[in-house]
Amino acid sequence: DTEVTQTPKHLVMGMTNKKSLKCEQHMGHRAMYWYKQKAKKPPELMFVYSYEKLSINESVPSRFSPECPNSSLLNLHLHALQPEDSALYLCASSQDRADSNQPQHFGDGTRLSIL
Amino acid sequence: GESVGLHLPTLSVQEGDNSIINCAYSNSASDYFIWYKQESGKGPQFIIDIRSNMDKRQGQRVTVLLNKTVKHLSLQIAATQPGDSAVYFCAERGGTYKYIFGTGTRLKVLA
Repeated sequence: DTEVTQTPKHLVMGMTNKKSLKCEQHMGHRAMYWYKQKAKKPPELMFVYSYEKLSINESVPSRFSPECPNSSLLNLHLHALQPEDSALYLCASSQDRADSNQPQHFGDGTRLSIL
Repeated sequence: GESVGLHLPTLSVQEGDNSIINCAYSNSASDYFIWYKQESGKGPQFIIDIRSNMDKRQGQRVTVLLNKTVKHLSLQIAATQPGDSAVYFCAERGGTYKYIFGTGTRLKVLA
């Protein structure tokens, strides 16, 4: 079992739907991340939150909207997605110190399919 | 042996043998490196890390070697077991919060 919990594990949605992915960690980490991973490819960074503030947006389309309600929770709101957005969405967390040299801890992801 | 498929390089190793997985990184300023293991249907799992001021670090059955001169990282797994079958990613920290993953290598353990 991972210490980063993601729900749901699987999600199928139409292009006009609105849904949200959720991520939770209780390790006291103050940096949280969203990654997108296509099949047989490495994870690609989407967003980073540090102390509940958005620090990095890797030019992600606005149909993906992140939210960090508190230090333990991270959401990814989805609206009007395209079929090419089908992928595994991974959440990760880490200690928030530039010199900490601590690895990221990943959840098992939400497998998203867009019809 | 090692082969490069259409999408993911694959390393096939006999059970009990040692495995060596290689990774070339891009940024000479990267100061921290991590190896992750990703099993089917799961997220990446931390295996071992190394700082740029070191050239070798050992864990349980795993060793990471760092050669900064040629920007090369390797993961050695001793006495490879069936449970080691997975995709392995190296990652470099190229900036605060920015971890860049390598393309990955699939390790297949043959019985």
